[in-house]
Amino acid sequence: ELKVEQNPLFLSMQEGKNYTIYCNYSTTSDRLYWYRQDPGKSLESLFVLLSNGAVKQEGRLMASLDTKARLSTLHITAAVHDLSATYFCAVDTDKLIFGTGTRLQVFP
Amino acid sequence: DAGVTQSPTHLIKTRGQQVTLRCSPKSGHDTVSWYQQALGQGPQFIFQYYEEEERQRGNFPDRFSGHQFPNYSSELNVNALLLGDSALYLCASSLVGQETLKNYGYTFGSGTRLTVV
Repeated sequence: ELKVEQNPLFLSMQEGKNYTIYCNYSTTSDRLYWYRQDPGKSLESLFVLLSNGAVKQEGRLMASLDTKARLSTLHITAAVHDLSATYFCAVDTDKLIFGTGTRLQVFP
Repeated sequence: DAGVTQSPTHLIKTRGQQVTLRCSPKSGHDTVSWYQQALGQGPQFIFQYYEEEERQRGNFPDRFSGHQFPNYSSELNVNALLLGDSALYLCASSLVGQETLKNYGYTFGSGTRLTVV
């Protein structure tokens, strides 16, 4: 059974700091997505990673994919309060298998 | 450009009742997938519909059933509701590549919050 694990599950970080969220998965896939979810809301698409070595950046967030290691990372640079949310990675095996989620809290 | 539309947005039902949730896909998409997200957890895949047929199914009991219409819209039906069915139900539409038969461009709706009391 495919497993998608994220760590950490909870991240409390100070504004201005950097941190990385990790997403490990247990089966072969060359398609992985990152989503943001605010409390009580639906999923907002952040990144679509479609090949080994893919790297995408948007503002203070950068995502990468290593299909050989079955690992994706979401790097946060100089965090701001507006980034506080839950972040999910999802592996595409023609259906999306979501990770456990990382709840990010950014404080002053 | 209309995205994915789900209805209703909120719903309260009693144990044992039945519920129907609706989803209209993004324009140009032909596939609809349903996910259940319990509080504090990641979304779990329920099933996927393509060409009016159930294409894939996750680990959900037969109480969960669905349908896709010729206009690609979809319904999710849950019978004999349990308290544990309380969750946010998300619909995602996508387009199947004619050569690869893989799904591309998942777009999520805003969800239906179901509370079973």
